[in-house]
Amino acid sequence: QVQLVESGGGVVQPGRSLRLSCAGSGFIFSNYAMHWVRQAPGKGLEWVAVISHDGGISLYPESVKGRFTISRDNSKNTLSLQMNSLRAEDSAVYYCARDPIQGAPDYFDSWGQGTLVTVSS
Amino acid sequence: EIVLTQSPGTLSLSPGERASLSCRASQSISSSYLAWYQQRRGQAPRLLIYGAYSRATGIPERFSGSGSGTDYTLTISRLEPEDFAVYYCQQYGGSPLITFGPGTKVDIK
Repeated sequence: QVQLVESGGGVVQPGRSLRLSCAGSGFIFSNYAMHWVRQAPGKGLEWVAVISHDGGISLYPESVKGRFTISRDNSKNTLSLQMNSLRAEDSAVYYCARDPIQGAPDYFDSWGQGTLVTVSS
Repeated sequence: EIVLTQSPGTLSLSPGERASLSCRASQSISSSYLAWYQQRRGQAPRLLIYGAYSRATGIPERFSGSGSGTDYTLTISRLEPEDFAVYYCQQYGGSPLITFGPGTKVDIK
């Protein structure tokens, strides 16, 4: 079955960097676009980034553009999120999620269990 | 920018009752690119509905989606104990590319 496992979360000071990873299994990883979605404590969901199946296209909302970089290694079935210049408002559970449709970003048919990032001095 | 509004914020119902959750968009969503998710406490979201009315794999028939344009509804025909959770709608393909509604909590009356 499809499995997505995030790692790399933790406590980091404002202005510092952190790199998250997501390991995919149970499906052909290289066939799917992948996303990061976050959820601040007690709040709703916010889309963070998407990368195409081959890594050629990545897109971000304005809230993280220029600070976050999504990447993937299809040889290792791994998705990453490099987060720089972190702010308190970036504190959240970060989920990786699979996009089942090739082409434009769509919906998410599988989610990991999430990894918690806390930005605090 | 497409903004999604969900109502009510909280819906208090009893098991066996029917639940109707609303998601309204600030502008028309092209091709009914709207999805619904369920999030139980402490868990990741789970896809219920995509394309406004298509049930995701493994989702019980008591969940149904409807609507078009700016107004969408998720209906749970008869609430089971495991259905008490938070529900989010999400649009895709608009501007910005992906946005979520603030959620509706369905709790036990």
